[in-house]
Amino acid sequence: QVQLVESGGGLVRPGGSLRLSCTASGFPLSDYYMSWIRQAPGKGLEWLSYIGFSGDTIYYADSVKGRFTVSRDNAKNSLFLQLDSLRADDTAVYYCARGHYELGCWGQGTLVTVSS
Amino acid sequence: EIVLTQSPGTLSLSPGERATLSCRASQSVSSSLAWYQRKPGQAPRLLISGASSRVSGIPDRFSGSGSGTDFTLTISRLEPEDFAVYYCQQYASSPGYTFGQGTNLEIK
Repeated sequence: QVQLVESGGGLVRPGGSLRLSCTASGFPLSDYYMSWIRQAPGKGLEWLSYIGFSGDTIYYADSVKGRFTVSRDNAKNSLFLQLDSLRADDTAVYYCARGHYELGCWGQGTLVTVSS
Repeated sequence: EIVLTQSPGTLSLSPGERATLSCRASQSVSSSLAWYQRKPGQAPRLLISGASSRVSGIPDRFSGSGSGTDFTLTISRLEPEDFAVYYCQQYASSPGYTFGQGTNLEIK
């Protein structure tokens, strides 16, 4: 069964850091580009980043460029998102998804709350 | 950035009726448009890619059409499980892919 499971969310103070993980099962992560998307409370979906098969191709949305870092470990079938210099407006549910054009499989999401 | 505007924001219909959801792009995205369904507590599910290609396993009552700036998701006969939020997404402008704000399809 194809599945993505995010973890690592939580409460963090403004300026703090967090590392999100996304573990894939049912398919080889190395065969797919992978993406991160978030949804803030009461807001729409926002695409954040994608990463190529081996991590050689990476793009970020302007809103997170320079603060967030995406990476992957294909041997562990895992995707990561390092969140630094967090702000209140980064509060959201963060999703990983398979693909970078159409997103064929999504995780359930992990909640990140940035608050003092 | 390409802005996607979905209409209506909320659509109230009864099971068995036909649903027509719209997604308009601020500039042409050719056929680089996908539709997703989102139910409470669940991950979004891809329904349509390439504006009109139904994903494997999606019932044929779901269909997508359009190209350029105007797109439509049609659900021919609503089933109880179809009531959800629907999002469109464009992937024409790399890397700034964007989503519409969603249409809430609710039971009348």
